[in-house]
Amino acid sequence: EVQLVESGGGLVQPGGSLRLSCAASGFTFSSYEMNWVRQAPGKGLEWVSYISSSGSTIYYADSVKGRFTISRDNAKNSLYLQMNSLRAEDTAVYYCARLWFDYWGQGTLVTVSS
Amino acid sequence: QSVLTQPPSASGTPGQRVTISCSGSSSNIGSNYVYWYQQLPGTAPKLLIYRNNQRPSGVPDRFSGSKSGTSASLAISGLRSEDEADYYCAAWDDSRWVFGGGTKLTVL
Repeated sequence: EVQLVESGGGLVQPGGSLRLSCAASGFTFSSYEMNWVRQAPGKGLEWVSYISSSGSTIYYADSVKGRFTISRDNAKNSLYLQMNSLRAEDTAVYYCARLWFDYWGQGTLVTVSS
Repeated sequence: QSVLTQPPSASGTPGQRVTISCSGSSSNIGSNYVYWYQQLPGTAPKLLIYRNNQRPSGVPDRFSGSKSGTSASLAISGLRSEDEADYYCAAWDDSRWVFGGGTKLTVL
């Protein structure tokens, strides 16, 4: 059974940093592209970042470019999102999702507030 | 403002057929596959349709997808109360994924 479990969310002050993790199981993680998607409270889905199976190709949404860094450790079956210079508008539930979002984690809430 | 355009709301009565549209452009829907997701209240989204019109195992055949040019549609036939949810379309667009703004489906 495919499972994606996010962790690392929480309350952080504006300008602060947070690192999200996504633990994958039930499939050959190293063979799949992965994404981060977020959803602000009461809002729709917003794609955040993509990483290829090997990690050699990475894309970001314009809204996070230069502040967020996606990475993966295929030996640990894990996906990461390093978030720096956080803003109030980054407040959202962050989901990791496989490939074309065929599987999603349960999400982790990031709240940016003073 | 989402890159893909969906109606904010849709509604129908039990047993009816409802369609939700998703409008894009040549750089996304016009040249790539369309995907549809269902998000029940308080839960993570779930894949409903992939590659325009394919259903993952476990998704009822009441759900169907189609694409024509730069637009796509999700059809739900035999509407049921448990179909009340938010629905999103998505497509690849150059070097990014783009989503529609979502459609809230109400079963009257």
